[in-house]
Amino acid sequence: AQSVTQLDSHVSVSEGTPVLLRCNYSSSYSPSLFWYVQHPNKGLQLLLKYTSAATLVKGINGFEAEFKKSETSFHLTKPSAHMSDAAEYFCVVSGSWGKLQFGAGTQVVVTP
Amino acid sequence: NAGVMQNPRHLVRRRGQEARLRCSPMKGHSHVYWYRQLPEEGLKFMVYLQKENIIDESGMPKERFSAEFPKEGPSILRIQQVVRGDSAAYFCASSPPSGTGPGTEAFFGQGTRLTVV
Repeated sequence: AQSVTQLDSHVSVSEGTPVLLRCNYSSSYSPSLFWYVQHPNKGLQLLLKYTSAATLVKGINGFEAEFKKSETSFHLTKPSAHMSDAAEYFCVVSGSWGKLQFGAGTQVVVTP
Repeated sequence: NAGVMQNPRHLVRRRGQEARLRCSPMKGHSHVYWYRQLPEEGLKFMVYLQKENIIDESGMPKERFSAEFPKEGPSILRIQQVVRGDSAAYFCASSPPSGTGPGTEAFFGQGTRLTVV
């Protein structure tokens, strides 16, 4: 069985400072991992995905994530936060036929 | 290429009524997934369908909930005799037929927000 744990339910950062969202996963085989973002009252947008290629994955809007098997982690980072980054972020692991298992989410607040 | 279309965006039902949520997948996609998001929670898998087949309904409540994806037309999630606890955002996602293994990207609609009063 696969699962993900997002270690922070809320993260507050100042505009222009780095963002770090932490995610640990559990999987019985080599996982596929995703980060999705949800803006208020919107659908979900894929930021990036890891599928056993390069361990450092670059996504949209300046986000990237690093897959670390030894730590079972897939943390999401961005060097410089923008006001438009305020949203909820979900770490997701994919099951055998594409079934997605979502983390509980991390709410990001960006202050001027 | 239009994305995944869900309607209605907002739905208000009185307790005991029926709710019908519709999802039109992206063009060329034959796999549909339904997820439910309760307030302050992440998305929970409900059901996975292909055309005319339910593949996995392990996340569907045993009673009152049903889903279909007919040969023609959108996928429908139906909730009979709604209760206040059914109030949530319901998201539909679709993926192409070329791959359903790990790593297949699912494209999400904007959701239907159901409020039961």
